[in-house]
Amino acid sequence: EVQLVESGGDLVQPGGSLRLSCAASGFTVSSNYMSWVRQAPGKGLEWVSIIYSSGTTYHADSVKGRFTISRHNSKNTVFLQMNTLRPEDTAVYYCARDRTSGSGYGYWGQGTLVTVSS
Amino acid sequence: SYVLTQPPSVSVAPGKTASIACGGNKIERKSVHWYQQKPGQAPVLVVYDDTDRPSGIPERFSGSNSGNTATLTIKRVEAGDEADYYCQVWDSNTYHRVFGGGTKLTVL
Repeated sequence: EVQLVESGGDLVQPGGSLRLSCAASGFTVSSNYMSWVRQAPGKGLEWVSIIYSSGTTYHADSVKGRFTISRHNSKNTVFLQMNTLRPEDTAVYYCARDRTSGSGYGYWGQGTLVTVSS
Repeated sequence: SYVLTQPPSVSVAPGKTASIACGGNKIERKSVHWYQQKPGQAPVLVVYDDTDRPSGIPERFSGSNSGNTATLTIKRVEAGDEADYYCQVWDSNTYHRVFGGGTKLTVL
């Protein structure tokens, strides 16, 4: 059974850093397309980052240069390193996996809350 | 960057058909995916690649894509279908994934 479990969400001050983790089971992270999607309180879904099976990564313009997606193959885990955090980064962050490559997000974690506030 | 436009809300009576639009420039050239999200829950994929349904999704859910509009259709709407619905595509110019703003479906 495919499972995604996020962790690492917390309350952090503006300008601070945080690293989110997404522990996967039931499949191999390095063979799949993995993404982070966020949702600010009361708002819609916003794509954040993706790491392809090739290792190529892309980030939304709103986080480019501040956030970095990566993976640890032996731990079967995906990470999101978030630096220079801003209040507008406050959101629930979901880890998601493509159903099959490019065919929509078929698997989601339960989400982890990041709050950026002084 | 590519923009997807959805109506903020759609209302429908139980047993009727709901149609949720997703507008984008020449969207027919893209594969559109649809998600259902209920309060406090993670999204669920209900239609992928314009028209296909994942296993476990009722046949009442269907999708189409033509011209500048993709549409999610829900037949014989039930109270349990009340949720937010999002469309999503891949932007081949930026290699970014894009979500529409979401549509709140209210069952009257």
